[in-house]
Amino acid sequence: AQSVTQLGSHVSVSEGALVLLRCNYSSSVPPYLFWYVQYPNQGLQLLLKYTTGATLVKGINGFEAEFKKSETSFHLTKPSAHMSDAAEYFCAVSVHNFGNEKLTFGTGTRLTIIP
Amino acid sequence: EAGVTQFPSHSVIEKGQTVTLRCDPISGHDNLYWYRRVMGKEIKFLLHFVKESKQDESGMPNNRFLAERTGGTYSTLKVQPAELEDSGVYFCASSQEHRMGETQYFGPGTRLLVL
Repeated sequence: AQSVTQLGSHVSVSEGALVLLRCNYSSSVPPYLFWYVQYPNQGLQLLLKYTTGATLVKGINGFEAEFKKSETSFHLTKPSAHMSDAAEYFCAVSVHNFGNEKLTFGTGTRLTIIP
Repeated sequence: EAGVTQFPSHSVIEKGQTVTLRCDPISGHDNLYWYRRVMGKEIKFLLHFVKESKQDESGMPNNRFLAERTGGTYSTLKVQPAELEDSGVYFCASSQEHRMGETQYFGPGTRLLVL
């Protein structure tokens, strides 16, 4: 079975500062890793994902994440925070299991941007 | 192209009543997933359809929940009778193929409150 741990249910950063949202996973087989974002009153939107290949993955809105197998981590970063980044962020893992790729989510991190 | 849509956006019902949630996936997407987020907790998998067939319903909480997918198009999730602990946000997601790490596209969710 897979699991995801997101450290910090709430993170606050100043506008222009580095954003770092932490995600650690547990999986007995090679995982697929995802970051989703939920803006207020909207559904979940895919930010980026790792399946195979390059371990540094770039996503939308200037976000990126690096898959580190040795650390079982997939932390999300953005060099400079914008006010529009305020949202809730979810890390998720899935494995390929005979056509079923259900996602296992972390508990989410709510990001607040301080002007 | 229209995204995943869900209806209603909000529902408030009393304990013991019945509620039916509807999800319309992206046209042409064979895979349809239901997830639920209980307040303050992680988003959890409920079940997975491939076309009209249930592929995995291991996440369904109990037999008060019934999901259907008529003709492999839209899906409904019925809760009968509803209990207080059923309150939460119900998300639907769809994906096109069984490729590894296939992106799931989420709807905006239905916020269910059972009083």
